[in-house]
Amino acid sequence: QVQLVESGGGVVQPGRSLRLSCAASGFTFSSYGMHWVRQAPGKGLEWVAVIWYDGSNKYYADSVKGRFTISRDNSKNTLYLQMNSLRAEDTAVYYCARDRVAVAVYYWFDPWGQGTLVTVSS
Amino acid sequence: EIVLTQSPATLSLSPGERATLSCRASQSVSSYLAWYQQKPGQAPRLLIYDASNRATGIPARFSGSGSGTDFTLTISSLEPEDFAVYYCQQRSNWPRVAFGQGTRLEIK
Repeated sequence: QVQLVESGGGVVQPGRSLRLSCAASGFTFSSYGMHWVRQAPGKGLEWVAVIWYDGSNKYYADSVKGRFTISRDNSKNTLYLQMNSLRAEDTAVYYCARDRVAVAVYYWFDPWGQGTLVTVSS
Repeated sequence: EIVLTQSPATLSLSPGERATLSCRASQSVSSYLAWYQQKPGQAPRLLIYDASNRATGIPARFSGSGSGTDFTLTISSLEPEDFAVYYCQQRSNWPRVAFGQGTRLEIK
């Protein structure tokens, strides 16, 4: 079955960097757009970034543009999120999510991984 | 920026009752709206996309309707496992997609 497993979260000081990974299995990873979505503790959902199935396009939320970089390695079935210049307001559970449709990007998130918690604190 | 406003913030109902959740967009999103369910400690799950299409494996008691600015998620007869938080999401002006603030469906 389709499975997404995030890793790399933890506690980091403001201004430092962290890289998240999302290992995918159970589907043809190279055929799907992939997203990162985050959820601050006790809050709602915020879309963070998308990467096209072939890596040709990447888009970011204004709140992370210039600080975060999304990437993928289709040979390893893995999605990444490089987070630099972290701020307290970046504290959240970070979910990776697959786009619902193959070889297109529709911004419908299905399914989601279980999430990894990033805490930015001194 | 398109803002999605969900109402009510909290809905208290009993199993077997009908639930009606609302999502209003600040400007038209056509039919580019989805609904997600999130249970405590779990990731969200896609229920409905394109306003009225059920995602794979979603029970028929879940239905979505609406277009333009006003949308509704209806659960025809609540099961115990349906009590959760529900989010709407629009993709009309991608990549600036947005979620509503959520409706908590709790057991009365």
